[in-house]
Amino acid sequence: AQTVTQSQPEMSVQEAETVTLSCTYDTSESDYYLFWYKQPPSRQMILVIRQEAYKQQNATENRFSVNFQKAAKSFSLKISDSQLGDAAMYFCAYRIGTASKLTFGTGTRLQVTL
Amino acid sequence: EAGVAQSPRYKIIEKRQSVAFWCNPISGHATLYWYQQILGQGPKLLIQFQNNGVVDDSQLPKDRFSAERLKGVDSTLKIQPAKLEDSAVYLCASSPDWGGRVEQFFGPGTRLTVL
Repeated sequence: AQTVTQSQPEMSVQEAETVTLSCTYDTSESDYYLFWYKQPPSRQMILVIRQEAYKQQNATENRFSVNFQKAAKSFSLKISDSQLGDAAMYFCAYRIGTASKLTFGTGTRLQVTL
Repeated sequence: EAGVAQSPRYKIIEKRQSVAFWCNPISGHATLYWYQQILGQGPKLLIQFQNNGVVDDSQLPKDRFSAERLKGVDSTLKIQPAKLEDSAVYLCASSPDWGGRVEQFFGPGTRLTVL
């Protein structure tokens, strides 16, 4: 069975600093996709960034970037220049290429302090 | 563009009662999902519809949960009878298609408390 592990239940970062959230996954598939979703206190989850497993280049979206290590099955999220609005739960998720079911990790709660 | 709408936002019931949740996906989205998010856990897929047909309901407790998507648009998720362990946030999501890198758009969720 595919699993997604987020080993950091909570993280804290100061405003304008950089923070990295960890995620590991377990799969025997070769075709898959990885996602980071953000869930603010209002609970509407939004997509932050996604990575195709067949791409070697790490995805970036403005202040958000990933470190995708396929051999290690690791998919960490780096948030640069952290802002107060980045405070939320962050979920790592995985999907097999031919399916649409997302498998989520347990989440990391990010606090941003002044 | 309007997002995924869900109602009610909050619901408190006693065990053994029935409850229903409603979801209106983004216009034109063929795929609709219902997730259960228990406190401290990530969302877990309950059921996925493609238009008005069920694609995946392998994790839906069919003895008490049911869902329908009439006319391939709105969807209703029902629990009958509810148990204490059904306390969770029920998230609806939709996407224009399914698989691969397709993004799922989530609604605000319905928080269910079973007493």
